[in-house]
Amino acid sequence: GIQVEQSPPDLILQEGANSTLRCNFSDSVNNLQWFHQNPWGQLINLFYIPSGTKQNGRLSATTVATERYSLLYISSSQTTDSGVYFCAIEGSTLGRLYFGRGTQLTVWP
Amino acid sequence: DTAVSQTPKYLVTQMGNDKSIKCEQNLGHDTMYWYKQDSKKFLKIMFSYNNKELIINETVPNRFSPKSPDKAHLNLHINSLELGDSAVYFCASSQDPGGTEAFFGQGTRLTVV
Repeated sequence: GIQVEQSPPDLILQEGANSTLRCNFSDSVNNLQWFHQNPWGQLINLFYIPSGTKQNGRLSATTVATERYSLLYISSSQTTDSGVYFCAIEGSTLGRLYFGRGTQLTVWP
Repeated sequence: DTAVSQTPKYLVTQMGNDKSIKCEQNLGHDTMYWYKQDSKKFLKIMFSYNNKELIINETVPNRFSPKSPDKAHLNLHINSLELGDSAVYFCASSQDPGGTEAFFGQGTRLTVV
C-alpha cells in the first residue's frame, strides 16, 4: 500500500501562533484529504485537495502531486484547533484511503 | 440532518458476544466504507461497498461481516467478539469508489471486556 508520513507527530502552540503540517506520500494521488479529529473523536473534513491550493478561513492547504507532498497551514491558531490532523491518500488502487499517523496539535490559551 | 450517522456511539460488551453497528448516509452516495481506528489512532480500511456490492475486503477476520441492504445503509456485524476487537469503528461514504471526497460518521467506540 501507499506510505503516508506526517510531520511533526506532535505540535504544541500558544494561541495566535501559525503552523505548517506536512504530509509525504509514496504513490500518485487520486484523492488527498485533510481531516481534523477533534477531542470528541469526530473526523471533520478540512480539505479535499488532490492538487493545487485551497483556503478556508484560517486554514489553507497545498498539494504538489508531482513532488508527492501536501501542506496544511493553520494561521492564528485557537484552542479549538486542538486535536489530531490526518492526511489521507487514495492512490492508484481506487477506493482505499491510506491514512498517515497524524499530527497531534495542542493549542494553549 | 447528519450526513453519515452511526449507531450506537458507544458499545460495551463481553467477550464471545455478537454485536452489530449500523450506518446510514443521506448524501445519495454510491459507495460506503468501514474503517477501524486502533488505540494508537491509526485508521485502516476494512470494507468497501459500491451499489450494495462488496468491492474491498481487507485482511479482516471472517467474524466481521458487513451487510448492505441498500445504497444508503452499511451495517457491520461482529461475531464472537474478542478483546482485540476493541477500537473505534468509522463508517464513511463517497459518491464513487475512487477519486471523490469521503465523509465519515461520528464513530462507534467498541469496548470488549
